[in-house]
Amino acid sequence: IAGITQAPTSQILAAGRRMTLRCTQDMRHNAMYWYRQDLGLGLRLIHYSNTAGTTGKGEVPDGYSVSRANTDDFPLTLASAVPSQTSVYFCASSAAGPTDTQYFGPGTRLTVL
Amino acid sequence: GQNIDQPTEMTATEGAIVQINCTYQTSGFNGLFWYQQHAGEAPTFLSYNVLDGLEEKGRFSSFLSRSKGYSYLLLKELQMKDSASYLCAVRDGDYKLSFGAGTTVTVRA
Repeated sequence: IAGITQAPTSQILAAGRRMTLRCTQDMRHNAMYWYRQDLGLGLRLIHYSNTAGTTGKGEVPDGYSVSRANTDDFPLTLASAVPSQTSVYFCASSAAGPTDTQYFGPGTRLTVL
Repeated sequence: GQNIDQPTEMTATEGAIVQINCTYQTSGFNGLFWYQQHAGEAPTFLSYNVLDGLEEKGRFSSFLSRSKGYSYLLLKELQMKDSASYLCAVRDGDYKLSFGAGTTVTVRA
């Protein structure tokens, strides 16, 4: 069982480019989340999805969009990357929904130049 | 917004005990989590408290006082592999998880 996978592992991106971070889980978890982690700030929620077909905004949603076409996949898109989006991005999921414990993927390290 | 405070760094000796404190102020409360995160890796779930008191899980214990907005994570019989960041996270009234900045624990021989 893979759990949660994220791709790419790391990426260097020119400012202004479009980028999609991929997240796939094979646990049939209902809820999925995207966080960014920056030094000294901790993990901050970008977007979430409590179930397939629904999404919501977290604490820092500006510049990011998500979709949840099915249970397994939850891609995060940066439409036009800016240097302040340089961060480590973690995808997470929880079984029944937001009342359950969240489990994290391995992360994507993104650098925007 | 949510406010979650924990110390930035702690150092302890192998075999010793370390207590990591976490204080919080959130809009509503639906549980407190502790995660462990080794450098360059994903956070991994350690413990969950929703009622006041102590939860023990092997060498790790977590305590919660809802009236004081306070929790601690106790690591006993420290091992070198316990060197990591420990993240306190609170689930608020909307079931969103807010994280503290993390406490980096360094275990020395």
